[in-house]
Amino acid sequence: SAVISQKPSRDICQRGTSLTIQCQVDSQVTMMFWYRQQPGQSLTLIATANQGSEATYESGFVIDKFPISRPNLTFSTLTVSNMSPEDSSIYLCSVVYSQETQYFGPGTRLLVL
Amino acid sequence: GENVEQHPSTLSVQEGDSAVIKCTYSDSASNYFPWYKQELGKGPQLIIDIRSNVGEKKDQRIAVTLNKTAKHFSLHITETQPEDSAVYFCAASDRNDMRFGAGTRLTVKP
Repeated sequence: SAVISQKPSRDICQRGTSLTIQCQVDSQVTMMFWYRQQPGQSLTLIATANQGSEATYESGFVIDKFPISRPNLTFSTLTVSNMSPEDSSIYLCSVVYSQETQYFGPGTRLLVL
Repeated sequence: GENVEQHPSTLSVQEGDSAVIKCTYSDSASNYFPWYKQELGKGPQLIIDIRSNVGEKKDQRIAVTLNKTAKHFSLHITETQPEDSAVYFCAASDRNDMRFGAGTRLTVKP
């Protein structure tokens, strides 16, 4: 399985500010995803991070609010922009090595005051 | 799109008993069905998965069954232990379009 790390593991931020979350994988992967998990809820896909091109966003998520970078096959960032308390969630990156098997990072716990 | 329903939302069992969590899906094109365990403060961990060409898969105390005709699949945990306490998520996927159930909070009482 993949070794996936995320930074920061948690943060407390003021409304109106932005936070960039990093996801690092120990080997090259084809597909990387970003998910949001609101308190006590399931996982909601934000976007697919595409290497070398713009991310593909799910309905309800836009690039201006959640810009994503994927400069290579082992790294991606998600920025949560102009944060409000409603953005308080766990943000998870995940990767697919082959045959749809998806592995998740440890998550970034964000609290917006 | 795919819709995955998961039941029950909470489950409490006595240590040593079995636990069963059930999921249904709507998209007949889904062909991959993983189960994840999420402990407090951690990311979801893949514990077992099944593909549409098999009906059952076992790994020690856990097993998953799939009924493609009825579009449902289940997770079975036998001889439960307190460390099995966690939130469990099922998912259904078609070509990397993965949708998750709402989760089941399992509590194993010692």
